[in-house]
Amino acid sequence: NAGVTQTPKFQVLKTGQSMTLQCAQDMNHNSMYWYRQDPGMGLRLIYYSASEGTTDKGEVPNGYNVSRLNKREFSLRLESAAPSQTSVYFCASIGVRNTEAFFGQGTRLTVV
Amino acid sequence: AQSVAQPEDQVNVAEGNPLTVKCTYSVSGNPYLFWYVQYPNRGLQFLLKYITGDNLVKGSYGFEAEFNKSQTSFHLKKPSALVSDSALYFCAVSWAAGKLIFGQGTELSVKP
Repeated sequence: NAGVTQTPKFQVLKTGQSMTLQCAQDMNHNSMYWYRQDPGMGLRLIYYSASEGTTDKGEVPNGYNVSRLNKREFSLRLESAAPSQTSVYFCASIGVRNTEAFFGQGTRLTVV
Repeated sequence: AQSVAQPEDQVNVAEGNPLTVKCTYSVSGNPYLFWYVQYPNRGLQFLLKYITGDNLVKGSYGFEAEFNKSQTSFHLKKPSALVSDSALYFCAVSWAAGKLIFGQGTELSVKP
């Protein structure tokens, strides 16, 4: 039982490049979330998906897109990376009965 | 707007002393409240939650938190701190709309 798996763990991009962060959970959870963590800013919600087929904006959605591919997978795409998107990104999932979130190990992204 | 705040960036306590990490929130309706802990270079781990019922909730590693509706607070407490409790602590809140948002985080440092 792997829980929440994020790939890649580390990535360096040049300004203007694109990439997709992958997240998969094997707990049959309905809700999935993407956060970014920056020093002194805590975790800020980028996008979330309350159920398969739905996505909604969070606190800081600009510059990002998401896809809820199926119940297991929720990807985050940066179409044209900017240095301001340098951050640690976390994916999380929550089930219907479990009200606590389970987190992946994070993706450390640097945009140069 | 819904929000959660942790007024202290850092809390310093001596080992064996009681500790408190503060959290206040602003949510319409009935909130679900959580505490998470993050160790260096790791994802977040769930500590405890308040959904309904008894205002004092107990969680992992001897931590507890008290829900105070009139003060809209959910402070994290532990009667006797350990050096190994040193970490970054996050308060979080969710509500019926499905979003889960976090405070800025409080760095807890426990000295021998």
